[in-house]
Amino acid sequence: ELKVEQNPLFLSMQEGKNYTIYCNYSTTSDRLYWYRQDPGKSLESLFVLLSNGAVKQEGRLMASLDTKARLSTLHITAAVHDLSATYFCAVDIGGGGADGLTFGKGTHLIIQP
Amino acid sequence: DVKVTQSSRYLVKRTGEKVFLECVQDMDHENMFWYRQDPGLGLRLIYFSYDVKMKEKGDIPEGYSVSREKKERFSLILESASTNQTSMYLCASRENYGYTFGSGTRLTVV
Repeated sequence: ELKVEQNPLFLSMQEGKNYTIYCNYSTTSDRLYWYRQDPGKSLESLFVLLSNGAVKQEGRLMASLDTKARLSTLHITAAVHDLSATYFCAVDIGGGGADGLTFGKGTHLIIQP
Repeated sequence: DVKVTQSSRYLVKRTGEKVFLECVQDMDHENMFWYRQDPGLGLRLIYFSYDVKMKEKGDIPEGYSVSREKKERFSLILESASTNQTSMYLCASRENYGYTFGSGTRLTVV
């Protein structure tokens, strides 16, 4: 059974600081997804990482994937209040993706002015 | 852009009622999914479908069934709603490596 673990589950940080969210998973996969969710809203896709060593960046967020270590990271640079949200990682191991995503429990991020 | 539409944003139903949650996608995707989201538990897969009339159980199918009579529509059915099915329900469709989620239905069973 695939397990996806995120840490930390809760993070309070100040604007301007850097931090990293970690996502470990238990079964071989080279497809990892990061989502953002604002309160009461659906999931917004941030990154799709499809190979070992993949790195993607969008604004102050950068995601990477190490398939050998079964680890993905979401790095936040110089955080701003607007990045406050819950962030989920999810892993896809199904053949052709038909089996769906398995999610971590989410990291609730609060960025204080 | 792919659009996944869930017909109800909020629903309140009584214990024992039969409840239908509807999801429609507009891009002819073969794969569709139903998740429920609960605080502290993240999203968990209930059922998925990879073609019309095809369905597969996810991680937590108990108390639910699904219907996919047309490619664009994937319905989640609670045969006899119970209070422990109070949750946020999210539908998704998939093509290649891209998943698109609907806006969610917050169901309260009283």
